[in-house]
Amino acid sequence: QIQLVQSGPELKKPGESVKISCKASGYTFTDYAMHWVKQVPGKGLKWMGWINTYTGKPTYADDFKGRFVFSLEASASTANLQISNLKNEDTANVFCARWGYPGTFAYWGQGTLVTVSS
Amino acid sequence: DVVLTQTPVSLSVTLGDQASISCRSSQSLEYSDGYTYLEWYLQKPGQSPQLLIYEVSNRFSGVPDRFIGSGSGTDFTLKISRVEPEDLGVYYCFQATHDPLTFGSGTKLEIK
Repeated sequence: QIQLVQSGPELKKPGESVKISCKASGYTFTDYAMHWVKQVPGKGLKWMGWINTYTGKPTYADDFKGRFVFSLEASASTANLQISNLKNEDTANVFCARWGYPGTFAYWGQGTLVTVSS
Repeated sequence: DVVLTQTPVSLSVTLGDQASISCRSSQSLEYSDGYTYLEWYLQKPGQSPQLLIYEVSNRFSGVPDRFIGSGSGTDFTLKISRVEPEDLGVYYCFQATHDPLTFGSGTKLEIK
């Protein structure tokens, strides 16, 4: 069955960096794009962007340009999100979600909580 | 960016009753291919969102027929007939017609 398994929670200080992973299984990784979605605790969902898992080309939503980097380890069927120069407002649960059809995001990771606190 | 406005913000429903959630878009969600990429997701407490409805009115695999999506253009509705305890959570509408992709602000369904 299709699964997206994300790395565990992270506690970081402002200015540090974090790398979150999303390991896919149960399908051909390079056939479907991977998207990232942010959710501040107690708030709604915000689309961060996506990465073409065949070419490796990332696309970022405007609010996520600069400090955010999507990358792949295709041989390990894994998508990564790195956030540098962390700020308090980066504290959020971050989900990976597989693009597909039918429905855009039929498969989601379990989420990775990133907490930024001094 | 497309803004999706959901109403109500929260909803308290008696088990077995019907619930209705509205999602209004700031732009038409009909794509040039003729399809309308408006979806509904449910996020149960402590879980990842799960897909309920795609292309306005199509239920995803395994979704009970109590969930009914309708609408066109800029106005969409999700109806849940005969609400059950497992339906509680936050419902989000979502559009994949326009870039950037956007979610509605959510509607919290509580059981009375």
